[in-house]
Amino acid sequence: ELKVEQNPLFLSMQEGKNYTIYCNYSTTSDRLYWYRQDPGKSLESLFVLLSNGAVKQEGRLMASLDTKARLSTLHITAAVHDLSATYFCAGNRDDKIIFGKGTRLHILP
Amino acid sequence: SAVISQKPSRDICQRGTSLTIQCQVDSQVTMMFWYRQQPGQSLTLIATANQGSEATYESGFVIDKFPISRPNLTFSTLTVSNMSPEDSSIYLCSVSTGIISVETQYFGPGTRLLVL
Repeated sequence: ELKVEQNPLFLSMQEGKNYTIYCNYSTTSDRLYWYRQDPGKSLESLFVLLSNGAVKQEGRLMASLDTKARLSTLHITAAVHDLSATYFCAGNRDDKIIFGKGTRLHILP
Repeated sequence: SAVISQKPSRDICQRGTSLTIQCQVDSQVTMMFWYRQQPGQSLTLIATANQGSEATYESGFVIDKFPISRPNLTFSTLTVSNMSPEDSSIYLCSVSTGIISVETQYFGPGTRLLVL
């Protein structure tokens, strides 16, 4: 059974700082997803990582995947307040997407 | 990508009643999923709804409580039956753009349910 663990679960950081959210998964996952959720909103797809060593970047966010370590990271560069949200990673097995608990990111001005 | 709409967007219901949530997609998709997200929590998969076959339920969810219909490739419904306050949650419809395997999964806006 695929299990996905994120850490930290809550992160408060200053604008302009860098930080990384970690996502570990327990068994082989066909791919790794990162989503963003704003309060009261649905989920927005950020990245889909398909293979070992995959790296994708969009603005101040960069996601990477290490399938050997069963680890994905979401790196935030020079954080801005607009990035405050909850970030979920999710793995895929047997066409089912299993979510981590989410990381609540609060960026202080 | 896929654009997903859900109805209703929110509802307040009495204990013991049932609510049917509709999910409409702007394109034909093979796989549709229903998730539940309790306040401040992650998403839990309820079931997978495939057109032309019965829904597949995850552990802890049963058809009698959460009957699902999938009459065509763009529409699905989830019914929350005999509701109790514990059913208060956000229910999200999701679709996969892949045909054989899940490539990218998109989510609807959610239905916010409060059971009194």
